[in-house]
Amino acid sequence: DAKTTQPPSMDCAEGRAANLPCNHSTISGNEYVYWYRQIHSQGPQYIIHGLKNNETNEMASLIITEDRKSSTLILPHATLRDTAVYYCIVADGRDDKIIFGKGTRLHILP
Amino acid sequence: SQTIHQWPATLVQPVGSPLSLECTVEGTSNPNLYWYRQAAGRGLQLLFYSVGIGQISSEVPQNLSASRPQDRQFILSSKKLLLSDSGFYLCAWSIGSGPNEQFFGPGTRLTVL
Repeated sequence: DAKTTQPPSMDCAEGRAANLPCNHSTISGNEYVYWYRQIHSQGPQYIIHGLKNNETNEMASLIITEDRKSSTLILPHATLRDTAVYYCIVADGRDDKIIFGKGTRLHILP
Repeated sequence: SQTIHQWPATLVQPVGSPLSLECTVEGTSNPNLYWYRQAAGRGLQLLFYSVGIGQISSEVPQNLSASRPQDRQFILSSKKLLLSDSGFYLCAWSIGSGPNEQFFGPGTRLTVL
């Protein structure tokens, strides 16, 4: 079973920041937070991951709370091409596998 | 650079027929390999993963099997397809364990009639 809880869907206006929340209250010390997204009829695409500190790359920023029980993925300037299902995943750093949950369906509105 | 191939892209098969889906990875050695299935309107379900040749871990009991005859080849098979086997099958690879991203192939859309 997935170890995360995400809202099933969200809307965001084009050009605005999209903030996608994720709860992972049972996360353990060895577990990382990963984010992937899946555009319709394609395979998932890795976005970002983190352990304790906030992370930023060319796609997004990941904000992890100090107690690590929740996190937020931020797409700073959402475009229509960001419409996708976003998956928040918690997995042990020593594991060979990750388990996808149901994710959040993000709709970017023109 | 690394690439991952899956074929066929789409497949329509009758109930009771066999299945063989192939996945190959180029540009890397000793990758971890994964098979996922996504039924219509559902999330991604991990079916099998492999950390080396001949090493297969099954995540859910089912009508399917997987094999890894070569380092960069992963095959998903069934002797007799069921209607419930319909879905979008995705192969993925990663390097090693730990916080390493998985790279997904283009997928095979299987319809069992």
